[in-house]
Amino acid sequence: DTAVSQTPKYLVTQMGNDKSIKCEQNLGHDTMYWYKQDSKKFLKIMFSYNNKELIINETVPNRFSPKSPDKAHLNLHINSLELGDSAVYFCASSPSRDRGAGELFFGEGSRLTVL
Amino acid sequence: QQQVKQSPQSLIVQKGGISIINCAYENTAFDYFPWYQQFPGKGPALLIAIRPDVSEKKEGRFTISFNKSAKQFSLHIMDSQPGDSATYFCAASPEYSGGGADGLTFGKGTHLIIQP
Repeated sequence: DTAVSQTPKYLVTQMGNDKSIKCEQNLGHDTMYWYKQDSKKFLKIMFSYNNKELIINETVPNRFSPKSPDKAHLNLHINSLELGDSAVYFCASSPSRDRGAGELFFGEGSRLTVL
Repeated sequence: QQQVKQSPQSLIVQKGGISIINCAYENTAFDYFPWYQQFPGKGPALLIAIRPDVSEKKEGRFTISFNKSAKQFSLHIMDSQPGDSATYFCAASPEYSGGGADGLTFGKGTHLIIQP
């Protein structure tokens, strides 16, 4: 079983469109994240959710909105897509807020290409 | 912005050689230092991690060396193999970040190629 799964793996779309990426984790973790990896491989955190509560929002444009129907799912919705949104988006999860809970478990990524 | 500076950006090592990747940090509150390994088309995965109560941690061919006074840590891959070719990220966070991995700051990555 895949621990952190995200769909779709590839997404090609036109500027101005709205798209969503879905993520599910079966690890029982309390915290889930979205990371953006640009063409230079730099990993930047976008959001994290702990027990359905947003606890980080790293100044991403408000065109990006995370949606968490339950603690096993964290979806990413993007409105009015721009060329600069082209990147690989990774979903990740981590154990609860206990000491030493620093390991992230990543999905395989969703490559978004905006034309 | 808290930073973790990683070098080199890319590295080519011959099979059987030692690969060394270095990282430096600024925030003295950091006390958890993981390394992540990422293969093409895959997500990063935790490789090895260290806390500052020890100066070295070894797992198989992978070793982290930690210098608290210099605020530097490095990854050493002994007997490097072509299968080790990947992108490696160092990271750092405070132990009590209030959210587990919320405070994890990544370096910019090192693209490692092991030549047969």
